[in-house]
Amino acid sequence: AAGVIQSPRHLIKEKRETATLKCYPIPRHDTVYWYQQGPGQDPQFLISFYEKMQSDKGSIPDRFSAQQFSDYHSELNMSSLELGDSALYFCASSLRGTGQETQYFGPGTRLLVL
Amino acid sequence: AQSVTQPDIHITVSEGASLELRCNYSYGATPYLFWYVQSPGQGLQLLLKYFSGDTLVQGIKGFEAEFKRSQSSFNLRKPSVHWSDAAEYFCALSGGYNKLIFGAGTRLAVHP
Repeated sequence: AAGVIQSPRHLIKEKRETATLKCYPIPRHDTVYWYQQGPGQDPQFLISFYEKMQSDKGSIPDRFSAQQFSDYHSELNMSSLELGDSALYFCASSLRGTGQETQYFGPGTRLLVL
Repeated sequence: AQSVTQPDIHITVSEGASLELRCNYSYGATPYLFWYVQSPGQGLQLLLKYFSGDTLVQGIKGFEAEFKRSQSSFNLRKPSVHWSDAAEYFCALSGGYNKLIFGAGTRLAVHP
C-alpha cells in the first residue's frame, strides 16, 4: 500500500538559510500534520491542514509557514534557520469522516543546521 | 490538560521474555489511543489503536494493548520478545480530528 512520502530525506543548511520540506499524503487522505522531533525527544505537533485550510496550530515558530495544495500535498517552509531547528520533521496524513481517524507517518526529513 | 506519561524511559528484556510497556494518560473524555514504534533514524509505524469497544486491542507484530478507563492506562504487551523488537515505543492520544500528543517514549533493548 502507498505510504506517506517526504522529500528530501536529508537536508543540510547553514544558519539563516531557508528550507522547504515536502509531504505527499497517502492517496485520498485529506488531512496533513507536521511534527518536529528533536534529538532524544518525542514528536511535537507543529501544524495541520484539512482540505487545504489550516485546521490546528501548535508550537510552530513564526519563521515557519506551511500550506496544503490542491493535490493535497503540503510544504513546510522554514526561514532564518537556527541551530535549534536541527531535528527530524515528520509529516502524517489521515482521512477524516471515518470515525476512526488514524495518522500515518512518513519516514521523516532529517534537517541539520550548521 | 491533555498529557501522556510513559514512566519507563529504558527497558531491557531478554529475547523470548514477555514485555509490558506502561502508558498513562490524562484527558477529559475517552481519548483515541495509539502505540507507535520507531527504529533508529526511521519513521513512526503504527502498532495498534483504540477508539472504542473491546478494551483489548490486537496490533501488528504480535503486540496487544489493554485500555483501562479506571486506571487511565493503555499498556502495551507482547508475550515473547524478538531481537527485532528493539526500538523506541511511543504512546499517543488524540481527541479526534486533531493533533497527536505523545509520551516521552520508552526505549526497548533486547538481550540475546
